[in-house]
Amino acid sequence: DIQMTQSPSSLSASVGDRVTITCRASQSISSYLNWYQHKPGRPPNLLIYAASSLQSGVPSRFTGSGSGTDFTLTISSLQPEDFATYYCQQSYSAPYSFGQGTKLEIK
Amino acid sequence: QVQLVQSGAEVKKPGASVKVSCKASGYNFTNYALHWVRQAPGQRLEWMGWINADNGNTKYSQKFQGRVTITRDTSASTAYMELSSLRSEDTAVYYCARGTIIINWFDPWGQGTLVTVSS
Repeated sequence: DIQMTQSPSSLSASVGDRVTITCRASQSISSYLNWYQHKPGRPPNLLIYAASSLQSGVPSRFTGSGSGTDFTLTISSLQPEDFATYYCQQSYSAPYSFGQGTKLEIK
Repeated sequence: QVQLVQSGAEVKKPGASVKVSCKASGYNFTNYALHWVRQAPGQRLEWMGWINADNGNTKYSQKFQGRVTITRDTSASTAYMELSSLRSEDTAVYYCARGTIIINWFDPWGQGTLVTVSS
């Protein structure tokens, strides 16, 4: 099974900051990497698919990059509604595993 | 709009089974797959399995093999996830999520169903 590891596990930042979250796969997954935003009491929301494609309706301040084993999610200018937990997920092979999450909190 | 609506919260005793439904609307049900993902308190999201809504083929995570069954009713545009031999560690929010037949990113998700296993 493919293991997904995110860093950091938590992050404090201010509105307007640029933040980057990293996700590493235990083996190469090409570009089969997706990012979700998860807020308490809500289902996860797809932000980025195939490593760098922005899901329809998602603000352009979210960008994804990477291939192989190392990936990043960048939020260019944090907005109040961006404070949430972010998960990466590999769709290369079943079981389709998730990272442990990165909780983004207001500084 | 594309929507997945799940059944309501459940409380079960250890050893029992639970069946959660996921009704799809706003798209051609048989053109996609449906996945089941759960999140236990304080844990990461965990993929359980999926069903091809067209032909009914399924694939399960080895962790749940033998305890989980995913089915679908195309006439009702509804998928079901049944988990048996419940234990306290199965207490979690269970989500269904749509995926394509070929590439498995998940969008949208159902609202989630809380399953509590307690004696």
